[in-house]
Amino acid sequence: AQSVTQLGSHVSVSEGALVLLRCNYSSSVPPYLFWYVQYPNQGLQLLLKYTSAATLVKGINGFEAEFKKSETSFHLTKPSAHMSDAAEYFCAVGGNNRKLIWGLGTSLAVNP
Amino acid sequence: NAGVTQTPKFQVLKTGQSMTLQCAQDMNHEYMSWYRQDPGMGLRLIHYSVGAGITDQGEVPNGYNVSRSTTEDFPLRLLSAAPSQTSVYFCASRVEGDSPLHFGNGTRLTVT
Repeated sequence: AQSVTQLGSHVSVSEGALVLLRCNYSSSVPPYLFWYVQYPNQGLQLLLKYTSAATLVKGINGFEAEFKKSETSFHLTKPSAHMSDAAEYFCAVGGNNRKLIWGLGTSLAVNP
Repeated sequence: NAGVTQTPKFQVLKTGQSMTLQCAQDMNHEYMSWYRQDPGMGLRLIHYSVGAGITDQGEVPNGYNVSRSTTEDFPLRLLSAAPSQTSVYFCASRVEGDSPLHFGNGTRLTVT
């Protein structure tokens, strides 16, 4: 069965520091992977999507994620955190049945 | 460009009352879905539809009904509200296949 694990339900970084949010997945078929962001009192917005065209995927707001098949990982990074990055981040994996499996989310806090 | 519109934004119900959460999208998406979001539990799929006249159950369908008479609308009905249904509900749609989901801004439901 497919599953998604987001390591760390809460991550805190200083403004200007590297952001690293971890996502590991299990899938018996080549996956398609997503990162979504949820700002307070809003719905989820797509940050980026892995389509198998390239292992390093660039998204909006300076975020990127690298697909590593050998590690079954799809970690999200941003070189320099901004206060506006404070939000909940969700990793999701889909497979041959087209249903998305969601991680439990990571809450990112950015300290001044 | 409205995207996915959910109404109402907030609702308080008493145990046993019924109500319908509305969801409409103007992107001509075939796939529509309802999720509930609870603290520490991530997103859980309630019901989904792959086109007008077709609906199916997700992982937590009990207590909820849906119908899909048009491509645009996908209402979620609570027949007899229970406190366990207190949650934030999100409607999401996409073009079929592995395209990203587009989310509404959610309905925050409290059942007392």
